[in-house]
Amino acid sequence: DTGVSQNPRHKITKRGQNVTFRCDPISEHNRLYWYRQTLGQGPEFLTYFQNEAQLEKSRLLSDRFSAERPKGSFSTLEIQRTEQGDSAMYLCASSWTSGGPHGELFFGEGSRLTVL
Amino acid sequence: GDSVTQMEGPVTLSEEAFLTINCTYTATGYPSLFWYVQYPGEGLQLLLKATKADDKGSNKGFEATYRKETTSFHLEKGSVQVSDSAVYFCALSSFSGSARQLTFGSGTQLTVLP
Repeated sequence: DTGVSQNPRHKITKRGQNVTFRCDPISEHNRLYWYRQTLGQGPEFLTYFQNEAQLEKSRLLSDRFSAERPKGSFSTLEIQRTEQGDSAMYLCASSWTSGGPHGELFFGEGSRLTVL
Repeated sequence: GDSVTQMEGPVTLSEEAFLTINCTYTATGYPSLFWYVQYPGEGLQLLLKATKADDKGSNKGFEATYRKETTSFHLEKGSVQVSDSAVYFCALSSFSGSARQLTFGSGTQLTVLP
C-alpha cells in the first residue's frame, strides 16, 4: 500500500528546540496539505503545495513554522523555537489537483508533538 | 467564512442501538460534504461523501443525506457495533484561494458498549 506516510509518529521535545516532520504523499498526487489537530478539536488547515510551490498559508502558520516541498514529492514541516502551545497532532494529506472532482483528501496517520 | 457545527459528544451507545450524529454547515457556493472517521491510534479515513443537494452518501452501514434547505448532513447508522467506536468528523470542501480545502467540525467521540 502506498498511502500517505508521516514520520516521526511521535516527538517529545523541550521548549525552545527545533523539530522537523516529514510527509511522503501518495505518489501520483500533486497536492500536499498540512493540518494541525489539537486535543478535542477537528483538524485546522495550515498550508498546501501544488507540486513544489507553496500556494497558500493559514494565519495559524506563524513565522516560526516553515514548510517545504523541494522536488514536488515529500514535504517537511519545521517548527523553530517550539512553545508548549505547539503541542498537537500534525497531519499531512494529499490529493490530485483541487482534491479531485469533489475535494477528497487522503490523510496520513499524523505526527504527534509534545513540547515540555 | 465556512464553518461546520457538530453535535457535541461524547456519545455512548449499546451495541445494535441506532446512531445519529448531527452536523450543520455554513458555506458560500456549493460545497461537497464529508464524514471522516478516526479510529484510536489511526489517521483520518474518509467514511462517506455527498457532492450535491439530496445526494446520499453511504458506506459500512452509515448514511448521510446532503440537505441544502436545512444546511445539514447528519450521520446515521441503524445498528452500531463495538468496532464503530471512534471519533467522527463532519467536513465540507469548498474553494479557498485556488484550492479546495477541508473545514472540519470539532468531532464527536462515539463509544459502543457490548
